[in-house]
Order: sequence, then C-alpha cells, then structure tokens
Amino acid sequence: AAGVIQSPRHLIKEKRETATLKCYPIPRHDTVYWYQQGPGQDPQFLISFYEKMQSDKGSIPDRFSAQQFSDYHSELNMSSLELGDSALYFCASTNSRGSTDTQYFGPGTRLTVL
Amino acid sequence: AQSVTQLGSHVSVSEGALVLLRCNYSSSVPPYLFWYVQYPNQGLQLLLKYTSAATLVKGINGFEAEFKKSETSFHLTKPSAHMSDAAEYFCAVSDRRNKLVFGAGTILRVKS
Repeated sequence: AAGVIQSPRHLIKEKRETATLKCYPIPRHDTVYWYQQGPGQDPQFLISFYEKMQSDKGSIPDRFSAQQFSDYHSELNMSSLELGDSALYFCASTNSRGSTDTQYFGPGTRLTVL
Repeated sequence: AQSVTQLGSHVSVSEGALVLLRCNYSSSVPPYLFWYVQYPNQGLQLLLKYTSAATLVKGINGFEAEFKKSETSFHLTKPSAHMSDAAEYFCAVSDRRNKLVFGAGTILRVKS
C-alpha cells in the first residue's frame, strides 16, 4: 500500500539559510499534519491543512510557513534557520472522511543546521 | 486541552517476559488514543488505536491495549517480549480531526 512520502530524507543547512521540506500524502488523503521531533523529544505539532486550507496551528515559529497544494501535497518552508531547528520533521496524512481519522506518518526529514 | 503521561522513560524486560508500558491521558472530550512505535532513525508506525468502540484493542506484532475510562489509562501490553520489540513507544491522544498530542515516549529494552 502507498505510504506518506517525504523529501528529502536528509538535509544539511547552514545557519540563516532556508529549507523546503515536501510531503506527499497517501492517495485520497485530504489532511496533512506537520510535526517536529527534536533529539530525545516527543513529536510536537506544528501545523495542519485540510482541503488546502490551514486547519490548526501549533508551536510553529514565525520563520516557518507551510501550504497545501491542489494535489494535496504540502511544503514546509523554513527561513533564517537556527541551530535549534535541527530535528526530525514528520508529515502525517489522514482521510477526514474516514471512520477513525488515523494519522499515517512518513519516514521523516532529518534536518541538520550547522 | 489534552495531555498524555507515560510512566517510565525506560523499561527493560527479558525476552519472553510480559511487556507493560503505561499511559495515562487527560482529555475534556471523549478521546481517541493511539500507540505508535519508532525504531531508531525511522518514522512512527501505528501499533493500535482506540476510537470509542471496543475497550480492548488489538494491534500489530502481538500488542494490545485496554482503554479504562475510570482510570484514564491506555496501557500497552504484550504477553511475551521479543528482541525485535526493542524501540521507543509513544502514546498519543487526539479529539478527532485534530492534532496528536504525544507523551514523552518510553524506550523499551529487551534483554536476551
């Protein structure tokens, strides 16, 4: 079965650079969530989109922005990167018309800021 | 607001022994509860979920969890640990169509 695809899997950036993370949800899933997992931490919710509209917002820095496109893929744009942004970034998708709204996670993008 | 507390950041069991990972939740609305497993340098894999149907939920790899409303608990169990069960386990709560709130995670170590 098709899973959530994230690219790139690994990304190394310098401080103050920008980064773009991409997420391709499971086919027919209309909702995308972004989470950030710092070293030794639990995943923290950043932002979510439903039908291309922002549906919820968590602890996402103002330096970050995200959007969902017409094909339902999503991109997380990160600017003025800081050392503390080094983390594993997960995307999860769900079908809001499903019976349980289970979130299925991608493999993550590991961002390292030097 | 919802929250999850996982008791014990590290649990160590012998191969073949019972696995018990504890999770207590707080939610102002009927919760949806999940257990995810994360192997080193990998993503989060769904083990099982509770969505207001049967209180005893069976998942993959022989794991199961029981929803106890009176105790606000959703502990994860497996009768017999296997070496391949060594991983980090996260309990999470949501109120449907919303973000997951995760516990701090429990690292399970299986001794041979």
